[in-house]
Amino acid sequence: EVQLLESGGGSVQPGGSLRLSCAVSGFTFSNYGMSWVRQAPGKGLEWVSGISGSGGSIDYVDSVKGRFTISRDNSKNTLYLQMNSLRGEDTAVYYCAKDWAVAAFFDYWGQGSLVTVSS
Amino acid sequence: DIVMTQSPDSLAVSLGERATINCKSSQSVFYSSNKKNYLAWYQQRPGQPPKLLIYWASTRESGVPDRFSASGSGTDFTLTISSLQAEDVAVYYCQQYYNPRRTFGQGTKVEIK
Repeated sequence: EVQLLESGGGSVQPGGSLRLSCAVSGFTFSNYGMSWVRQAPGKGLEWVSGISGSGGSIDYVDSVKGRFTISRDNSKNTLYLQMNSLRGEDTAVYYCAKDWAVAAFFDYWGQGSLVTVSS
Repeated sequence: DIVMTQSPDSLAVSLGERATINCKSSQSVFYSSNKKNYLAWYQQRPGQPPKLLIYWASTRESGVPDRFSASGSGTDFTLTISSLQAEDVAVYYCQQYYNPRRTFGQGTKVEIK
């Protein structure tokens, strides 16, 4: 059974940092791209960042470029999102999601981790 | 980036009746080399993460009831729930994956009338 479990969310002041983790099981992690998708309270879905299975290909939505860093540790079956210089508009539930194939649709999702940026 | 626009924003349908959601992309998501439309649909029930319903514009994910169907090509797509059930109350999103910077529609909320 495929499982994705996010952790690391919480409350932080503007300008602060947080690191999200997503521990996965049930599939060969290194064979698949992974993404982070966020959802602001009461709003729709926004793809934030994606990484290939090897970690060699990475992309970000423009609004987080230079502030967020996606990475993965294939030996630990874990995906990460380092979030720096956080802003109020980054407040959202952050989902990790498995790519069906590189840069494709998302066939499995975690339950989400809430990040709140507020003074 | 490709902009996805859904209509309507919300709709209320009686149990057992048909619900239809539209999705329009700002550019074609049809890839001529493999003749596939790079379009997916998701269902998000209240308090839950999204769930994949449809990919390649019309292929149902395993386990998805056959009352869910989808069609369309190029820039215009449709998701249809043929006979609405109580458990179908949710927000539905379309998503393009033609461009690796994947984008979603704003969502359509389906409620019971």
